[in-house]
Amino acid sequence: KAGVTQTPRYLIKTRGQQVTLSCSPISGHRSVSWYQQTPGQGLQFLFEYFSETQRNKGNFPGRFSGRQFSNSRSEMNVSTLELGDSALYLCASAEQGGINSPLHFGNGTRLTVT
Amino acid sequence: DQQVKQNSPSLSVQEGRISILNCDYTNSMFDYFLWYKKYPAEGPTFLISISSIKDKNEDGRFTVFLNKSAKHLSLHIVPSQPGDSAVYFCAASDSGGSNYKLTFGKGTLLTVNP
Repeated sequence: KAGVTQTPRYLIKTRGQQVTLSCSPISGHRSVSWYQQTPGQGLQFLFEYFSETQRNKGNFPGRFSGRQFSNSRSEMNVSTLELGDSALYLCASAEQGGINSPLHFGNGTRLTVT
Repeated sequence: DQQVKQNSPSLSVQEGRISILNCDYTNSMFDYFLWYKKYPAEGPTFLISISSIKDKNEDGRFTVFLNKSAKHLSLHIVPSQPGDSAVYFCAASDSGGSNYKLTFGKGTLLTVNP
């Protein structure tokens, strides 16, 4: 099976712009989660989608949003970009989201905000 | 407020010896713990997990120990190999086993010297 695919791998944006990141989960996986990784904070949970519904959300401002499509592919959007949004954004998929269903991560999208 | 702490940013061991990576947590609601390994430019890869009802779980060269009273877990790698050199993340879940929402530590960089 192909792994989790994230596009693009690298992105450079300026403050105030918006950005959309894409994630294709492993075939058959219905749960998609998003994490932000920064040197100072480590990996932080953004949100998780299952069957097109957001099941859980982390402590991020409303500028961060996401959605999931019927084919389980997911997008994450960040509006009004700030310098502090520069980070590696990781997508992870799982079959259901239970203890027998570990997360499989993609290689991430490196976002730089200037 | 960091709920999962990996107090050693880095660890260096000789090939063939034991590597011990430590993790402490503060949230007593955490009931499921995982270790992930991350190589540069790749997403984290699931290694091993443990439920709070156990105190040990073993998978080949990897063993995770959980001490609930001390809110401490550790990952033992025996014997260590140069290919084990990576960043290791400890993660925890309080979602009743639904591991799609994980709280991660900031990681420990393990270097295994030939």
